[in-house]
Amino acid sequence: DARVTQTPRHKVTEMGQEVTMRCQPILGHNTVFWYRQTMMQGLELLAYFRNRAPLDDSGMPKDRFSAEMPDATLATLKIQPSEPRDSAVYFCASGLVGGGIRNQPQHFGDGTRLSIL
Amino acid sequence: QQQVKQSPQSLIVQKGGISIINCAYENTAFDYFPWYQQFPGKGPALLIAIRPDVSEKKEGRFTISFNKSAKQFSLHIMDSQPGDSATYFCAASRARGSTLGRLYFGRGTQLTVWP
Repeated sequence: DARVTQTPRHKVTEMGQEVTMRCQPILGHNTVFWYRQTMMQGLELLAYFRNRAPLDDSGMPKDRFSAEMPDATLATLKIQPSEPRDSAVYFCASGLVGGGIRNQPQHFGDGTRLSIL
Repeated sequence: QQQVKQSPQSLIVQKGGISIINCAYENTAFDYFPWYQQFPGKGPALLIAIRPDVSEKKEGRFTISFNKSAKQFSLHIMDSQPGDSATYFCAASRARGSTLGRLYFGRGTQLTVWP
């Protein structure tokens, strides 16, 4: 059963440290999304890519967050420097979009639970 | 601003009862309305979805009702079970345009079904 894989599942680190979260999308999916989930804000879209090109990263704090897709099997989300307010669960999702294919679902990973002390 | 508004924020239902979660949207360009279910420690997963050319879609105990003129849609869970206890998100997206494939999520509803 194909699934989105996220690592690490949990991360605890101190304020100011660099954090890197990784995502392996489902093979064949051309769109990758990064979300952040908190009790206060719900699910927020941070950034998304199509065919590895960034489409929209307006949801990310640009000064400290960066998202990349070095290749089709890996997406990364980095925070540098990290702050306590970045504590949240970060989800990656992938989907197949376009090419006459209508409304395929987004498949979510199980998230990275990040705690910044 | 929130493009999809969801209510209630939390819902407690007795086993066997009907759970109803409501969503509203403003953008008439939306043409796909999925519901996602999320259990603790897991990512959201697609539960059921509807397109605006139908007013209702049923899959087992789960039904989406869609009112295009009112720009509202709702999820009904019949015969609610403790295993349905989860967070439910409504969402909307467009089938074309620059935001193709992007989902706009509601804030979520935490459903608790008491045995």
